[in-house]
Amino acid sequence: AQSVTQPDIHITVSEGASLELRCNYSYGATPYLFWYVQSPGQGLQLLLKYFSGDTLVQGIKGFEAEFKRSQSSFNLRKPSVHWSDAAEYFCAVEFTSGTYKYIFGTGTRLKVLA
Amino acid sequence: DTEVTQTPKHLVMGMTNKKSLKCEQHMGHRAMYWYKQKAKKPPELMFVYSYEKLSINESVPSRFSPECPNSSLLNLHLHALQPEDSALYLCASSQDGGGRRVFGSGTQLSVL
Repeated sequence: AQSVTQPDIHITVSEGASLELRCNYSYGATPYLFWYVQSPGQGLQLLLKYFSGDTLVQGIKGFEAEFKRSQSSFNLRKPSVHWSDAAEYFCAVEFTSGTYKYIFGTGTRLKVLA
Repeated sequence: DTEVTQTPKHLVMGMTNKKSLKCEQHMGHRAMYWYKQKAKKPPELMFVYSYEKLSINESVPSRFSPECPNSSLLNLHLHALQPEDSALYLCASSQDGGGRRVFGSGTQLSVL
């Protein structure tokens, strides 16, 4: 069955430290992959997306993500976190073969220490 | 214009009230969505309109009634809601039913 997993519910990092948020999916083919960020009481903003081609994709706000087919993963990274990055991060996966689905992961809440 | 605009931003209603949430986009997107989001949870899909026709209804209670007057507008009519319906209601759009979603900032709904 199609599924999306974000293993980390909460992550705390110090300002200036590097960040990696994990996302794994279960699917027989390569899906379309997205990372969104949500500040409290706000909508979701797209950070980056992967459809095909280069497996390292660059997004807004200095974020990047790498698609690893062998690991069914699409992890989000940032070399140096800023206090304003504190938010909820959602991985989303679009499954287009068979039953169409667009599934959000359960989210990872990022806390940034000054 | 690259935004999805939702009104109102906040809404408090009683269980006997009728109210409507509104959503508007002018990006030429042909698919529009309503999501419900409880605190600390991911968005849950409620309805999808594709080319102004309801294409997906995720078995949402009939006290929620969507309407798509044209390709730019999406409404969600609310009637006889329950306290457990209190949540952030998000509208989103996409080019043609796939790919990235553009989200509005949501309506925070409280049902008393």
